Amino acid sequence: EIVMTQSPATLSVSPGERATLSCRASQSVSSNLAWYQQKPGQAPRLLIYGASTRATGIPARFSGSGSGTEFTLTISSLQSEDFAVYYCQQYNNWPQLTFGGGTKVEIK
Amino acid sequence: QVQLVQSGAEVKKPGASVKVSCKASGYTFTSYAMHWVRQAPGQRLEWMGWINAGNGNTKYSQKFQGRVTITRDTSASTAYMELSSLRSEDTAVYYCARDVIAAAGTSYYYYMDVWGKGTTVTVSS
Repeated sequence: EIVMTQSPATLSVSPGERATLSCRASQSVSSNLAWYQQKPGQAPRLLIYGASTRATGIPARFSGSGSGTEFTLTISSLQSEDFAVYYCQQYNNWPQLTFGGGTKVEIK
Repeated sequence: QVQLVQSGAEVKKPGASVKVSCKASGYTFTSYAMHWVRQAPGQRLEWMGWINAGNGNTKYSQKFQGRVTITRDTSASTAYMELSSLRSEDTAVYYCARDVIAAAGTSYYYYMDVWGKGTTVTVSS
């Protein structure tokens, strides 16, 4: 099973600042990676797929990069609605999926 | 609009089974597959299995093999996830999510674009 590891576990950021979240795969997943945002009591929401393609309706301040085993989600200027938990998920051996442990982005 | 509406919360005793439903609307049910993902309190998202709503083919996580059964009723545009031999560790929110395959040139992208709101299953004696 491909193991996904996210860092840091918690990221404290002030509104308007940049946030950089990391995700590492235990083996190469090419660009077969998605990012999801989850707020308390809600289902996850798709942000990015194909490592760097924004999903429909996702603001341009969200960007994804990376391939192979190292990936990054960047939020260029944090808005109040962006404070949430972010998960990466690989689908290199779709339909079997694995998720990272999540990064909680909190207000500094 | 595309919606997935899940059945209500369940409380079960250890050893029992639970069956969660996920009713799709706003799209052709048989044109997409469905994933089931769960999240225990304070834990990461965990993939359980998948069903091709068109032909009924399934794939399960090895962790749940033998305990989980995913089915669908095309006439009702509904997918089901049944988990048996429940234990306290199965207490979680269970989500269904639509599987999308997007082609871009020679590449294919897979993602879950619409999710149900989740069904809380509590296992307690």
